Amino acid sequence: EVQLVQSGAEVKKPGESLKISCKGSGYSFTSYWIGWVRQMPGKGLEWMGIIYPGDSDTRYSPSFQGQVTISADKSISTAYLQWSSLKASDTAMYYCARMYSSKVKYFDYWGQGTLVTVSS
Amino acid sequence: DIQLTQSPSFLSASVGDRVTITCRASQGISSYLAWYQQKPGKAPKLLIYAASTLQSGVPSRFSGSGSGTEFTLTISSLQPEDFATYYCQQLNSYPPLTFGGGTKVEIK
Repeated sequence: EVQLVQSGAEVKKPGESLKISCKGSGYSFTSYWIGWVRQMPGKGLEWMGIIYPGDSDTRYSPSFQGQVTISADKSISTAYLQWSSLKASDTAMYYCARMYSSKVKYFDYWGQGTLVTVSS
Repeated sequence: DIQLTQSPSFLSASVGDRVTITCRASQGISSYLAWYQQKPGKAPKLLIYAASTLQSGVPSRFSGSGSGTEFTLTISSLQPEDFATYYCQQLNSYPPLTFGGGTKVEIK
């Protein structure tokens, strides 16, 4: 069974750093892209970026380039999303999702989400 | 960047109604469009990919159509469990793999 299991909720102060994780299982982790999606409270879905764990090829949305870092450790089938200096506006639910990519593309499996709260 | 405009943003409907949601792309995206359903407090769920292919396990009352710049998601007979927010996403050109703004379907 394919699963993406994300790390637990975080409460941080502005200026702090944070790294959240997404562990894949039940499939070949290095053969599928993993994307990250932000959902601010009461708002829609925003695509942040994507990584191919097989070779660490990473693409960012222009809106998030330089604001976050996406990485992966294929030895433990885990992708990461990290911030070096959080802002209150980073408060949101963050989802990881697996992208099937062949002649067609889609995000077929999603993590349960990690709620990040940034408050002084 | 490719922009996706969903309409309506809010829809009030009754059980048994036929519901249609539209997603318009700012430039042609062939059939690289997916639809997702999201219920409160839950992760999005894939309903349709490649504009019209039903994901395994999704009820047949859901259907998708379109190509190029105009796409529709249709629910042929709305069921109580279908009240949710629906998003389209383009997967033709990235970054970014844009989402539409969402359509919230509520009970009339």
